Amino acid sequence: GAVVSQHPSRVICKSGTSVKIECRSLDFQATTMFWYRQFPKQSLMLMATSNEGSKATYEQGVEKDKFLINHASLTLSTLTVTSAHPEDSSFYICSAGVGLAIPGVQYFGPGTRLTVL
Amino acid sequence: RKEVEQDPGPFNVPEGATVAFNCTYSNSASQSFFWYRQDCRKEPKLLMSVYSSGNEDGRFTAQLNRASQYISLLIRDSKLSDSATYLCVVNHNAGNMLTFGGGTRLMVKP
Repeated sequence: GAVVSQHPSRVICKSGTSVKIECRSLDFQATTMFWYRQFPKQSLMLMATSNEGSKATYEQGVEKDKFLINHASLTLSTLTVTSAHPEDSSFYICSAGVGLAIPGVQYFGPGTRLTVL
Repeated sequence: RKEVEQDPGPFNVPEGATVAFNCTYSNSASQSFFWYRQDCRKEPKLLMSVYSSGNEDGRFTAQLNRASQYISLLIRDSKLSDSATYLCVVNHNAGNMLTFGGGTRLMVKP
């Protein structure tokens, strides 16, 4: 159980385009979903936290107008990278938590590798 | 100072060796502690939670020292398949937010 999927797994796009990444919890309802970014040889950096039906909370230094997060249901969150530039190329990983039921545990999606040309 | 600090390694060990990783955290209010494993170009996967009394899962033993704000992971009888990056992870609120260390890279050689 506790499977999280992400789509697409890999995307290559031109500079200036927008890219949408979907994150789904397949067999459970996620009270909270998290979006991380990981640059080569670095650890995961939390970008934002989203709860279903409310606005996402962004970490310091993450532009909310550039990284749009929509959490429409308890099983789906989307991250849209708007007007992508080469410096946005990274590994984007989502995760889902089940709240106080299992505090501190997150289930990770397989990640999306974004390359902006 | 980083919230969660780890020696990045790499630790190069032969098969069968015992290897230990350490991690320190700065927030004394931290509540839950974990070790995750991340393979190259893959997502992190939970290896084990870390409890105050220490806990063991097969060849893996985790220890927590709250007074020193220090967590360790011991791997006995290393296998080639243990080669990965090990992430020390801390949760310091009642929700699900996690803070990741930079990871320690382990390379097990034949």
